[in-house]
Amino acid sequence: GENVEQHPSTLSVQEGDSAVIKCTYSDSASNYFPWYKQELGKRPQLIIDIRSNVGEKKDQRIAVTLNKTAKHFSLHITETQPEDSAVYFCAASFTGGGNKLTFGTGTQLKVEL
Amino acid sequence: IAGITQAPTSQILAAGRRMTLRCTQDMRHNAMYWYRQDLGLGLRLIHYSNTAGTTGKGEVPDGYSVSRANTDDFPLTLASAVPSQTSVYFCASSARREGTGELFFGEGSRLTVL
Repeated sequence: GENVEQHPSTLSVQEGDSAVIKCTYSDSASNYFPWYKQELGKRPQLIIDIRSNVGEKKDQRIAVTLNKTAKHFSLHITETQPEDSAVYFCAASFTGGGNKLTFGTGTQLKVEL
Repeated sequence: IAGITQAPTSQILAAGRRMTLRCTQDMRHNAMYWYRQDLGLGLRLIHYSNTAGTTGKGEVPDGYSVSRANTDDFPLTLASAVPSQTSVYFCASSARREGTGELFFGEGSRLTVL
């Protein structure tokens, strides 16, 4: 089955700096890569996703890049703000895979003032 | 407000007891899922259902069972709880059956098995 590895497990940045979280996946058939944000005590919520026919996608301060050859994808957050502090999860799945969305182990991002 | 409702939000349970976590959605989504969240392990899929009347096993199905009698409800049952099932359980739904659409999560159910 699919295996998703996520790094780093914790990340601390100064407000205004950029943050990058990286994930690798094992199944070359995977074609959908979402990122979820989970604030403390809350439910995970989708913040951005990318499909395999696209190399990069941007939404304001958030961007995701995908390298299918290397089987890795990354989340980039620019101009970080305190409200970006949360746990971020990457995930991977593929059409026809029986809905098996596999998550990474999460990155605790702390944005310090 | 449309969304997913889970119950109970928190429960302490003696080992060996039977427990059912309830999940109801009113978005008419085809697919529903149960995940457990453990520190350092992320979100792991327990069981899923593509549509009413069908279910499938996820990554960690042992000790759990589910049913999908209708579109809206997807209960998760622990037949005989064990301490390793102490976790936060999230129910989720998706409009797309093939696992390539946004998951909408419930607020979670924190279960402690003593």
